[in-house]
Amino acid sequence: DTEVTQTPKHLVMGMTNKKSLKCEQHMGHRAMYWYKQKAKKPPELMFVYSYEKLSINESVPSRFSPECPNSSLLNLHLHALQPEDSALYLCASSPYLGGELFFGEGSRLTVL
Amino acid sequence: DQQVKQNSPSLSVQEGRISILNCDYTNSMFDYFLWYKKYPAEGPTFLISISSIKDKNEDGRFTVFLNKSAKHLSLHIVPSQPGDSAVYFCAATFSGSARQLTFGSGTQLTVLP
Repeated sequence: DTEVTQTPKHLVMGMTNKKSLKCEQHMGHRAMYWYKQKAKKPPELMFVYSYEKLSINESVPSRFSPECPNSSLLNLHLHALQPEDSALYLCASSPYLGGELFFGEGSRLTVL
Repeated sequence: DQQVKQNSPSLSVQEGRISILNCDYTNSMFDYFLWYKKYPAEGPTFLISISSIKDKNEDGRFTVFLNKSAKHLSLHIVPSQPGDSAVYFCAATFSGSARQLTFGSGTQLTVLP
């Protein structure tokens, strides 16, 4: 299994909603990442987990809350988002911190 | 400050010919470079990488060249195929950054049949 699986693929939410994005990998990778990508822009790193501990937080607003329940799962909890947070949210994993990234297909988020 | 630059937002090439995608970087600490390919509505897929101790790495139809003195790398695809049409991102990293990737803005490659 060489996949990174993200759910849901599409999410529409209002600014007062609470929702979560989920990411799963079964490659035994010990580093997992959340990226945000706007149209025609490169992916921007948000969070990095290494061995289930938050390693990097790239000054992301607190309305985004990551969680790594175990080595295979990575969640991104969303609360009180703004319309400008609409983007493609990409999860990635790598065998170790800084290894080659394997990306999921992304979750397309629209905030109304 | 954009540390990794892909100055050509788009490139069109005839099927069977060579595609050359270029990438420039400014941070001399970068010591590992990667190319990712992205189709619409999908996440980026790792394509090929090169360490700064090499100047060339080849994998099938894909070859990456690194010119450290010019802080320039390029991805050659030969022969180009219509299925190669995608956005190509150059990325760079160095050991002191915990290996976090800095991505370029991408080049849309269109291979014409």
